[in-house]
Amino acid sequence: AQRVTQPEKLLSVFKGAPVELKCNYSYSGSPELFWYVQYSRQRLQLLLRHISRESIKGFTADLNKGETSFHLKKPFAQEEDSAMYYCALSGRGTYKYIFGTGTRLKVLA
Amino acid sequence: EAGVAQSPRYKIIEKRQSVAFWCNPISGHATLYWYQQILGQGPKLLIQFQNNGVVDDSQLPKDRFSAERLKGVDSTLKIQPAKLEDSAVYLCASSLRLLAGNEETQYFGPGTRLLVL
Repeated sequence: AQRVTQPEKLLSVFKGAPVELKCNYSYSGSPELFWYVQYSRQRLQLLLRHISRESIKGFTADLNKGETSFHLKKPFAQEEDSAMYYCALSGRGTYKYIFGTGTRLKVLA
Repeated sequence: EAGVAQSPRYKIIEKRQSVAFWCNPISGHATLYWYQQILGQGPKLLIQFQNNGVVDDSQLPKDRFSAERLKGVDSTLKIQPAKLEDSAVYLCASSLRLLAGNEETQYFGPGTRLLVL
């Protein structure tokens, strides 16, 4: 079955601490993985995608096909990182798009 | 550049009533998506349009939900009749074009929050 799992509903960290938001997936084909973010009172927006291998706002994510994971990491959390984060999967060659249930990140001062 | 527009922002109806949501994508975007997001869950893709054609509607409950995108621009999503479990935020998104694997960035609207009583 195609599935995206985000095991943590809420993650609280202190400002300056490292952050890791977990994402595991189940997909039989070749997946494309994404992270979306929704700040308070703002729209859902793309944060980064694995094919770009980019760092956005200090966040990075590496696709680990062996562990079927795509964890989002940032070495030093900032208060403005507080938001809802969704991991999403799309099947290469398909038009399917699957979101995880999201993790709320709270960065404490 | 104006973003994706949706209306209404909020809607409260009673079960068995009908409701329609409207979406205006970013100008020039060929692909339009409708998602349903139930409280505590991630967005669930209901239907995708490429211009005015349906690319995928496999998760659309067709007994009560319908969507159209006439002229390949604006789109409406209708629920008839509504059930309690349809209470959710309905998100519209658009992207420049559709590529297999959906590598194109999707731009989301603010959503319509529906409450069915």
